Amino acid sequence: QKEVEQDPGPLSVPEGAIVSLNCTYSNSAFQYFMWYRQYSRKGPELLMYTYSSGNKEDGRFTAQVDKSSKYISLFIRDSQPSDSATYLCAMRKIGNQFYFGTGTSLTVIP
Amino acid sequence: DAGVIQSPRHEVTEMGQEVTLRCKPISGHDYLFWYRQTMMRGLELLIYFNNNVPIDDSGMPEDRFSAKMPNASFSTLKIQPSEPRDSAVYFCASSYRAGQGGYTFGSGTRLTVV
Repeated sequence: QKEVEQDPGPLSVPEGAIVSLNCTYSNSAFQYFMWYRQYSRKGPELLMYTYSSGNKEDGRFTAQVDKSSKYISLFIRDSQPSDSATYLCAMRKIGNQFYFGTGTSLTVIP
Repeated sequence: DAGVIQSPRHEVTEMGQEVTLRCKPISGHDYLFWYRQTMMRGLELLIYFNNNVPIDDSGMPEDRFSAKMPNASFSTLKIQPSEPRDSAVYFCASSYRAGQGGYTFGSGTRLTVV
C-alpha cells in the first residue's frame, strides 16, 4: 500500500464550479501537508502549506486537513479555465522528506 | 531570485550513452532533491542532499545512476549507460531546513532515450 493515495481523475468541471480534490494517507506520523499545482510541461509549484488539522484559506483555495481520518482536501471555488492543471498532494513527517501523491488532472471547461 | 535552474530542458540520446543533468538550487537553500516523474509512477524521489552531503539515495534505481553536489550552488545527476526505460522528466527541487515552507521545483529536464 502506498503511503499517500490520490485519485488520478481526470476531473472535468464547468467554469464557476466548486472543485474538491482529495488525498488519503496511512501514516499517522505525517505532520505537514501541501498542495502543489503543475501545469503541463512545467515543474510543480506550491499552492498551500499547512501543519495542523482544520482549514486554511487563500483566495479561492481552501486546504482542509482531518488527521483523525487521515484525509486531506483542496477546494477550489469559482473555478477558472486557468485552474486546469494537475494537482499533487504531499506530506511529511517531522525532519523527513515529502511524500507525493500521483496527482489529479483537472480541466475547467469555459 | 531566479528560482531553481535546470539544464538542459530537453535531452534526446541513444541507448548506451551517458547523460548528465544539471541543477542550480536557490541561494541559501540547504536541501536539494532529485525527482523523476512518469505517468505510471508519478514523482519518485531519487536522492537528496543536505549541505552538499548525500543523505538518502535509496531511490536511485540502479548503479547506472549517480549524483553529486560539489558545492552549494550546483548538482548533477548522471546516467551511464542510459536505457529507454530511463525516459522521464527529471526535476530538481531545493528547500530551506528540510522543507519548511515547501520545496521549490525547477522546470525539469525531459529525457528521451531512444
